Amino acid sequence: GQQVMQIPQYQHVQEGEDFTTYCNSSTTLSNIQWYKQRPGGHPVFLIQLVKSGEVKKQKRLTFQFGEAKKNSSLHITATQTTDVGTYFCVLASGGSYIPTFGRGTSLIVHP
Amino acid sequence: DVKVTQSSRYLVKRTGEKVFLECVQDMDHENMFWYRQDPGLGLRLIYFSYDVKMKEKGDIPEGYSVSREKKERFSLILESASTNQTSMYLCASSRGLGYTEAFFGQGTRLTVV
Repeated sequence: GQQVMQIPQYQHVQEGEDFTTYCNSSTTLSNIQWYKQRPGGHPVFLIQLVKSGEVKKQKRLTFQFGEAKKNSSLHITATQTTDVGTYFCVLASGGSYIPTFGRGTSLIVHP
Repeated sequence: DVKVTQSSRYLVKRTGEKVFLECVQDMDHENMFWYRQDPGLGLRLIYFSYDVKMKEKGDIPEGYSVSREKKERFSLILESASTNQTSMYLCASSRGLGYTEAFFGQGTRLTVV
C-alpha cells in the first residue's frame, strides 16, 4: 500500500515557540489533507492542498505542498496551549479516495 | 451540523464474544470507513464502503467484517473478539467518489478482557 512517513512523532515546545511537522510519501499525490486530533477527541479536518507548491494559511498555521507533490509540511507560528494535539497528514494518490493517515505528530506545548 | 454517531463511547467485551460497533451518519455520504487507532500507529483502515452493500478491505481486515445495508449505517463486526483487538475504533464518512473531507465519529474505546 501507499507509504506515509510523518516526522517527528513527538514534539515538545515552550509556549510561543514555532513548530513544524513534515509528511513524505513514496508516491506522487493527487492531494493531501491535514487533520488535528485533540487529546480524547476525534480527528477534525483542517485543510486540503491540491496544487504543486501550494501554500495556504490559517491564522498561525501555514500548510505547504511540495513542488513534486510528494511531501507536505505544517508550520505553527508562536504555539499556544490550544495547539496541543496530534496532527495527521492524510494522503490520496491516483484515483484512490481512501484517506490514508500518517502516524501523526503529537505536539505538547509547555506553558 | 454534520454528524457521525457511534453507538457506544466505551465497551468492555469478553474474549470470544461477537461484537457489533455501529456507526450512523446524517449527511447522505456515499463513503464510510472504519479505522482503529493505537498509540504510535496512527489510524489504520480496517474496511470501507463506497455504496450500500458494497465493501472493500482496508489494510488490517483480519478478524473483522462489516455490513452496510442502508446508506447511513455502517457496522463493524468482530466475529470472535480477542485481546489484541482492544483499541479505539473510529468511524468516518465522506461525500462521493472525489477526495473530500472526512467526518469522524467520537470513537468507541473497546476493551476485550
